[in-house]
Amino acid sequence: QVQLQESGPGLVKPSETLSLTCTVSGGPLSVYTWNWIRQTPGKGLEWIGYVYPSGVTAYNPALKSRVTISVDTSESQFSLKLSSVTAADTAVYYCARGQTVRAFEFWGPGTMVTVSS
Amino acid sequence: EIVLTQSPGTLSLSPGEGATLSCRASQSVSGGLLAWYQQKPGQAPRLLIYNTGSRATGVPDRFSGGGSGTDFTLTISRLEPEDFAMYSCQQYGSSPHTFGQGTKLDIK
Repeated sequence: QVQLQESGPGLVKPSETLSLTCTVSGGPLSVYTWNWIRQTPGKGLEWIGYVYPSGVTAYNPALKSRVTISVDTSESQFSLKLSSVTAADTAVYYCARGQTVRAFEFWGPGTMVTVSS
Repeated sequence: EIVLTQSPGTLSLSPGEGATLSCRASQSVSGGLLAWYQQKPGQAPRLLIYNTGSRATGVPDRFSGGGSGTDFTLTISRLEPEDFAMYSCQQYGSSPHTFGQGTKLDIK
């Protein structure tokens, strides 16, 4: 069974960079997209972007200037960096496996990140 | 960007009743790539339906999805107590992938 687990700091200061890692177990990275999604009470679920195992990425235009998603296939991990954070970036961050037809079938449990000084 | 609008915002029903949830897109969803997720408090979303009408692994057959173009529905034929949750639709046929704001299904 495929499992994903987010990890990283739960508190980030304003203007700094949020960094999260998702570790994948129970299946290969190949073929799939590896996604980051966040959820806030006010805006619901928001797709941040994805990375293919090849390193090809796609980002939400609303966040594109601040987002970098990368992959480390040797460690079965992919990562999110979101720069210049503000309180509006406070959210639960999820990683998920995507597939062209089967959508986001596997999700991590999520990690709460608070932006505050 | 495709905007997804879900209705109603809240649906109050009793166990055993049927439920129909709506998801309307601001433009046609490419390839019918529309999914539905169930989410309970403190948990990650769970994929129920993908590609408009295909049930994900392990999803009971009381859940069904339908629609085309810009109008999609999730139908739950006979509500079980564990079905009371938040439901969100997602289009993943074009970038950026977008989600609806959700329909809360609660017990009457």
